[in-house]
Amino acid sequence: AQTVTQSQPEMSVQEAETVTLSCTYDTSESDYYLFWYKQPPSRQMILVIRQEAYKQQNATENRFSVNFQKAAKSFSLKISDSQLGDAAMYFCAYRSPREETSGSRLTFGEGTQLTVNP
Amino acid sequence: NAGVTQTPKFRILKIGQSMTLQCAQDMNHNYMYWYRQDPGMGLKLIYYSVGAGITDKGEVPNGYNVSRSTTEDFPLRLELAAPSQTSVYFCASSYLAAISYEQYFGPGTRLTVT
Repeated sequence: AQTVTQSQPEMSVQEAETVTLSCTYDTSESDYYLFWYKQPPSRQMILVIRQEAYKQQNATENRFSVNFQKAAKSFSLKISDSQLGDAAMYFCAYRSPREETSGSRLTFGEGTQLTVNP
Repeated sequence: NAGVTQTPKFRILKIGQSMTLQCAQDMNHNYMYWYRQDPGMGLKLIYYSVGAGITDKGEVPNGYNVSRSTTEDFPLRLELAAPSQTSVYFCASSYLAAISYEQYFGPGTRLTVT
């Protein structure tokens, strides 16, 4: 079974600075999908960024980018120019490509609570 | 589109009571999921469905039941509620053929069992 580990329960960053959230995962599959979700105090789960394992290029969405190291099974999220609205719980998630056995389920890490200081 | 909707938003149950958490989506998604999120933790999969009439267990199915009679609806039934089922419950859906493989989440139901 796949596992996802986020080793930083809490992180803080100054407004306008850059912060990196860590995520590692364990899998025997060669093709898969990785995601970062943001959960603000409203509890709504918001997709931040996704990465397909077969793509070597790191995904980027505006101020959010990932550092995907497939051999190391590492998938970190970098937030540049941090804003107060970035404060939230961030979850790393893994999705197997095997629909017939996984049903496209997501396996989540335990989350990193990000605080943005003004 | 309303997306994924869940009712109720909050509920307090007494031990041994039963209830159904409702989930509906209007995006014609074939896959639907129920997750639970315990305080300070990530989401864990309870049940999922790949289409009407087809359901399967996730990581933590004990104490729950589901049904999927239509594409739109995926209710979660709690029988004999226990304090261990105090959690926030999220319903999600996705479209199998979508390249993005994104799961869309509802706003959650906060359940307290006392």
